[in-house]
Amino acid sequence: AQSVTQPDIHITVSEGASLELRCNYSYGATPYLFWYVQSPGQGLQLLLKYFSGDTLVQGIKGFEAEFKRSQSSFNLRKPSVHWSDAAEYFCAVDKAAGNKLTFGGGTRVLVKP
Amino acid sequence: DVKVTQSSRYLVKRTGEKVFLECVQDMDHENMFWYRQDPGLGLRLIYFSYDVKMKEKGDIPEGYSVSREKKERFSLILESASTNQTSMYLCASRPPGLAGGPHEQYFGPGTRLTVT
Repeated sequence: AQSVTQPDIHITVSEGASLELRCNYSYGATPYLFWYVQSPGQGLQLLLKYFSGDTLVQGIKGFEAEFKRSQSSFNLRKPSVHWSDAAEYFCAVDKAAGNKLTFGGGTRVLVKP
Repeated sequence: DVKVTQSSRYLVKRTGEKVFLECVQDMDHENMFWYRQDPGLGLRLIYFSYDVKMKEKGDIPEGYSVSREKKERFSLILESASTNQTSMYLCASRPPGLAGGPHEQYFGPGTRLTVT
């Protein structure tokens, strides 16, 4: 069965500092990969997705993610964090031609002024 | 913009009650999903539907049922609510197919259900 691991439950970062959120998945083939963000009291919003091609994917709000097949990872990065980036971030995997997302446990990001 | 709405943001029910959570989407999407979200566990799929009157079990269907009588509406039913069903429930919808790459799921704001 496929699984998604986000090793960091909480991350605290200073405003203006860089951010990297880790995501590892277990699946035999290359799945479709997603990062979602959930701001307090909100539903999930898609930040970016990967299914083929360039392994560095650009998303909204200045986020990017890099797919590394050899490490089964899809880490999310932002060069300079804003206070509004405080939220919970979820990595998700969708098997090719599947209809089900498997989510990681989430990483909650706190931004210090 | 795709809009997915859920009937309640907060709900408090008693053990043993029958609970209905409603979800409506306005983009004519075939696929709709119900998840529950618990701290540290992320989102887990309860049921999904790929067409009217069609449903499939997700990863944690026990204690839940669903209804999809109209394309835009997908209901989650707790036949007899229990305290371990206290959670955040999120509905999502998605257009069909994978042509051009995977389609994202569009999420509603969630319903926080407390069962006492």
